[in-house]
Amino acid sequence: GQQLNQSPQSMFIQEGEDVSMNCTSSSIFNTWLWYKQEPGEGPVLLIALYKAGELTSNGRLTAQFGITRKDSFLNISASIPSDVGIYFCAGQGAQKLVFGQGTRLTINP
Amino acid sequence: DAGVTQSPTHLIKTRGQQVTLRCSPISGHKSVSWYQQVLGQGPQFIFQYYEKEERGRGNFPDRFSARQFPNYSSELNVNALLLGDSALYLCASSLAVVGSYGYTFGSGTRLTVV
Repeated sequence: GQQLNQSPQSMFIQEGEDVSMNCTSSSIFNTWLWYKQEPGEGPVLLIALYKAGELTSNGRLTAQFGITRKDSFLNISASIPSDVGIYFCAGQGAQKLVFGQGTRLTINP
Repeated sequence: DAGVTQSPTHLIKTRGQQVTLRCSPISGHKSVSWYQQVLGQGPQFIFQYYEKEERGRGNFPDRFSARQFPNYSSELNVNALLLGDSALYLCASSLAVVGSYGYTFGSGTRLTVV
């Protein structure tokens, strides 16, 4: 099935460090979404981006919608232990979301 | 208010059997979508239903079927189960066909086929 290219696949960082992950697509999307998934749960929406070039923040999270509408990135500043989880980008199509493979974030206290 | 509820939470089935998974959307949401998430991968789109009609179908075999009821709840059916059908099945609800207001996911049903 179709998936977006998300990198890195995993990250091992120290508490307090900043984190950056990105997502690219061969197709244009008019909406980009970033989700976080924790064990035993479904994905939870973190940030939604609706306009090319848009930069949106949600607390320590900042995401940008690429100008070409084929990419997006997510930054997490000053990571804390509860940031642990799998982060997914998703492009919103007509009736569906197309997800990346996920970035697994592990934090050493 | 209750979020998206899915049942059962876990299920073990034998190859060749049939399974039915259930989803209740957020109150007021008329669209339900189903996704399959294989371990280590992102969710893959299976179906979207809106107002009891199928509005989208992903690249899954005909063994997969779904329906939506008048109260907007939904069932996903999978026939002739294969080992490769083992996955987390997620249901997402939204207000409209195009999730302009976002998709809210349930916690999923973990299906294991042995």
